[in-house]
Amino acid sequence: QQQVKQSPQSLIVQKGGISIINCAYENTAFDYFPWYQQFPGKGPALLIAIRPDVSEKKEGRFTISFNKSAKQFSLHIMDSQPGDSATYFCAASRWYYGGSQGNLIFGKGTKLSVKP
Amino acid sequence: DTAVSQTPKYLVTQMGNDKSIKCEQNLGHDTMYWYKQDSKKFLKIMFSYNNKELIINETVPNRFSPKSPDKAHLNLHINSLELGDSAVYFCASSQESLLHNEQFFGPGTRLTVL
Repeated sequence: QQQVKQSPQSLIVQKGGISIINCAYENTAFDYFPWYQQFPGKGPALLIAIRPDVSEKKEGRFTISFNKSAKQFSLHIMDSQPGDSATYFCAASRWYYGGSQGNLIFGKGTKLSVKP
Repeated sequence: DTAVSQTPKYLVTQMGNDKSIKCEQNLGHDTMYWYKQDSKKFLKIMFSYNNKELIINETVPNRFSPKSPDKAHLNLHINSLELGDSAVYFCASSQESLLHNEQFFGPGTRLTVL
């Protein structure tokens, strides 16, 4: 029940295209869904996050779509750029109540390559 | 101004040795974490710690122990290193708050056990 399943494992997109990464979770108690971006040799960094009171959140070229009934959420990167090439992790947790309830459960990551 | 820093960045050591990785955050956060990222990039929580409780992931061997000299530091000590401990270890921090839940990660320590 603690798993977060992420797909695809890798993704190659042409510059200007749309990158889509999908995640599914099992634990209905999860109510915070962030996406983290990791460049080679660096630590993950928060990209965008959503709570289930909305079905979509957009920040610039990045959009999270959330389907509570299906227990799925996805990241869409519009007008993908070579600089977006990185590994993307979805995650899920309880909204922070302290201690282990706030621990992030990560998906296994998607390596995105944007070709010029 | 590095928010979460770790030392060393690289650590190469022999099996059976004991080693420590240091982590410091200057964000004033009250919760710190250690994650292990394996060769397949899978990120797994090892510990979360604030001044109230230490939560240990039950799958973490007791050879691993976090030590927190103060609120800004959470060091990771590893006894009797094994080949399978080779990975990148990330420290992270966050602030216990109802307003946000972002974790800030350090740059990682690549541990290689020979």
